[in-house]
Amino acid sequence: DAGVIQSPRHEVTEMGQEVTLRCKPISGHDYLFWYRQTMMRGLELLIYFNNNVPIDDSGMPEDRFSAKMPNASFSTLKIQPSEPRDSAVYFCASTQDRGKGYTFGSGTRLTVV
Amino acid sequence: SQKIEQNSEALNIQEGKTATLTCNYTNYSPAYLQWYRQDPGRGPVFLLLIRENEKEKRKERLKVTFDTTLKQSLFHITASQPADSATYLCAEQTGANNLFFGTGTRLTVIP
Repeated sequence: DAGVIQSPRHEVTEMGQEVTLRCKPISGHDYLFWYRQTMMRGLELLIYFNNNVPIDDSGMPEDRFSAKMPNASFSTLKIQPSEPRDSAVYFCASTQDRGKGYTFGSGTRLTVV
Repeated sequence: SQKIEQNSEALNIQEGKTATLTCNYTNYSPAYLQWYRQDPGRGPVFLLLIRENEKEKRKERLKVTFDTTLKQSLFHITASQPADSATYLCAEQTGANNLFFGTGTRLTVIP
């Protein structure tokens, strides 16, 4: 298995632009998570899905952030409009079930200038 | 609300010694504690999971303990090697599948 695949690897955008991050989870994993990592706040859970349904989005910072999972093999995290404080590394992770470890992607490093 | 704390930001240790990293939680006992390794520029990699009713888990040179009285998990790497140098993250899981991470301990193994 190729693992959790995220794209793009790096994204530089101007403030106010829309940004879309993509994730392909491991086949057969029913849970998908979006995390954000910064030096100040560490790894923060933004939202997670179970069987393509959003279960908990309480970590999403504000309405500028939205996430979708149209099918079991694809999810997006969108920021519109982007702001410099959104600069961070965004990770996608998946797992088969609770009680098992998560598999993380390589992350997308987002820089908003 | 639950807090998970890794008290040491950084730990330096001589090659061959045992590295011990600490993770403390503040309130209720999590159902699971997980440990991950993260290298610069990469995503966290799952190492070990220990359940609330387990005292100890081992995998090769790694050992994790879970003490619900002390509200603490210890992560040990025996016979440490320079290749073990990385940031190690502790994470707690309660109820639903949400996994909440500590801020990590950066381990450096000195040859």
